[in-house]
Amino acid sequence: DTAVSQTPKYLVTQMGNDKSIKCEQNLGHDTMYWYKQDSKKFLKIMFSYNNKELIINETVPNRFSPKSPDKAHLNLHINSLELGDSAVYFCASSPGLSEARGAYNEQFFGPGTRLTVL
Amino acid sequence: GESVGLHLPTLSVQEGDNSIINCAYSNSASDYFIWYKQESGKGPQFIIDIRSNMDKRQGQRVTVLLNKTVKHLSLQIAATQPGDSAVYFCAENTGGGNKLTFGTGTQLKVEL
Repeated sequence: DTAVSQTPKYLVTQMGNDKSIKCEQNLGHDTMYWYKQDSKKFLKIMFSYNNKELIINETVPNRFSPKSPDKAHLNLHINSLELGDSAVYFCASSPGLSEARGAYNEQFFGPGTRLTVL
Repeated sequence: GESVGLHLPTLSVQEGDNSIINCAYSNSASDYFIWYKQESGKGPQFIIDIRSNMDKRQGQRVTVLLNKTVKHLSLQIAATQPGDSAVYFCAENTGGGNKLTFGTGTQLKVEL
């Protein structure tokens, strides 16, 4: 009955490797997000997809490539992993985009994937 | 007790006391603000939100205050319980696409 799920929960890998993190939501939401949380707990958005269309793409190295096969899934592929990529990555989803200024759709977060690059 | 969230400060309170967690936001154009709670090993969880046309909103044991003049947001937790121990983040809705910008967070520790 998990609303937003991520796999794997922990990922330890060597520098230079390529890895993927998967996210699925069973809430019927249209919008999904990827966030990165660093060692100081700072949480920053990376990407957002709405109905499989990329709508937010922050200043993220192009080694990071999100893929949304359908609106219930948003995966994150990372090429040529670097030490600085070590962090906790959170997936989130919301019902949809805010349609008017001041409107907000609550974002539901997954449990996170702790990535450690050695 | 009170805190200002800059470099993940820690706020320690006694069980049963009230807690006040403060947040300074940067974008005067932000029109929506949210407080999230993050327990250890878990993802952030929505607590309460407030629109920019309001200055106060109450939930169950929580109250959010917004002062747009000084761009300040606070979260008040009444009768703090051990289960309230977590990191608390304020976030502002800074643009289209539901883009949230998070503050640095405050660690709340409840002492028995």
